[in-house]
Amino acid sequence: GAVVSQHPSWVICKSGTSVKIECRSLDFQATTMFWYRQFPKQSLMLMATSNEGSKATYEQGVEKDKFLINHASLTLSTLTVTSAHPEDSSFYICSAGASSYQETQYFGPGTRLLVL
Amino acid sequence: QKEVEQDPGPLSVPEGAIVSLNCTYSNSAFQYFMWYRQYSRKGPELLMYTYSSGNKEDGRFTAQVDKSSKYISLFIRDSQPSDSATYLCAMSGDNQGGKLIFGQGTELSVKP
Repeated sequence: GAVVSQHPSWVICKSGTSVKIECRSLDFQATTMFWYRQFPKQSLMLMATSNEGSKATYEQGVEKDKFLINHASLTLSTLTVTSAHPEDSSFYICSAGASSYQETQYFGPGTRLLVL
Repeated sequence: QKEVEQDPGPLSVPEGAIVSLNCTYSNSAFQYFMWYRQYSRKGPELLMYTYSSGNKEDGRFTAQVDKSSKYISLFIRDSQPSDSATYLCAMSGDNQGGKLIFGQGTELSVKP
């Protein structure tokens, strides 16, 4: 149980285009989902917390208009990187909170984004 | 000072060794403690979850929490090459809004 999927697993795009990443909880309902960014050899950096049916809460320094988050249902959250630039290239990982273990998060496999 | 401190390693051990991974933290309100394993280019995988102080064992893995010392550990017995990965400690409390605070991660290599 507690499986989280992400799509796509990797994406290459041209500078200036927008990219949408989907995060789905496959076997449980997630009222809260989280989006992280990870650079090589570094830990996870929380970008935003997404609650179903409400606006996402962004961490300090994360541009809301750059990284659009939508949590339309209890099993789906999307992250859209708008007008992507090479510095947005990174590994993006989502996680979902599960009620089986309080405060525990289950992570998706990640999406590797390369902006040319 | 970071809220959670974890030695980034890298840590290299021979196959069969006992591995000890540790994190210290400063926030006394933390009461949920987790260890995640992350293979290269993959998402983190939950290994162990512990609430408050105490020990928890699952197969070759043992998690220990000492809240009085603000210190948590993960022990891996009979380590295998397949255990080579980065291990992240994470913790949270009731006042964190569901957010996890992560350590930097320790890179472990188990040599055959």
